[in-house]
Amino acid sequence: DAGITQSPRHKVTETGTPVTLRCHQTENHRYMYWYRQDPGHGLRLIHYSYGVKDTDKGEVSDGYSVSRSKTEDFLLTLESATSSQTSVYFCAVGPSNSPLHFGNGTRLTVT
Amino acid sequence: AQSVTQLGSHVSVSEGALVLLRCNYSSSVPPYLFWYVQYPNQGLQLLLKYTTGATLVKGINGFEAEFKKSETSFHLTKPSAHMSDAAEYFCAVSPNTGGFKTIFGAGTRLFVKA
Repeated sequence: DAGITQSPRHKVTETGTPVTLRCHQTENHRYMYWYRQDPGHGLRLIHYSYGVKDTDKGEVSDGYSVSRSKTEDFLLTLESATSSQTSVYFCAVGPSNSPLHFGNGTRLTVT
Repeated sequence: AQSVTQLGSHVSVSEGALVLLRCNYSSSVPPYLFWYVQYPNQGLQLLLKYTTGATLVKGINGFEAEFKKSETSFHLTKPSAHMSDAAEYFCAVSPNTGGFKTIFGAGTRLFVKA
């Protein structure tokens, strides 16, 4: 178990407000990822990190930013939340040619 | 470019019946292939993986999958469904050359009838 904790587990916010989701891991993994899960789309990669302060965009990165100032923490920020960003967000760790280990998700509702 | 197609967003079987969940992929390089399972309000957990070697891969909970290069398929099977198998299943592909782009299928929700 990679010891992945996501916070908060649930969040309701209003359109236009900034929101930050946190992923914390205890296993010193170099690679970390943020995915969003939506019905009919499976999981889509938002951003990923391959080391402290090393991040890059995934396939659905518009409207999102990330930061990684410590190995154990990977933050996802919605700069100005929109209703289309209502989703379940998952953090994962591990190199992509190995199985990924997932957190339990954050359910975000933007009203 | 890689992609994953899971045929059937919902599959329903009777308890004790064969489970067959279909996955086809496209990849420009030899892929690594994975099946994950997701129970309600949880993250994804690995069921099984194919990297190299034997094309029939056995996983947890009695599941197995066969890598068929000629058909670009990696279908998941289980001989006898249990009620506890009801969950959502995701097929995923990543290139064996490294990189950071694991691509997931849209998922198949499995219902098991008593």
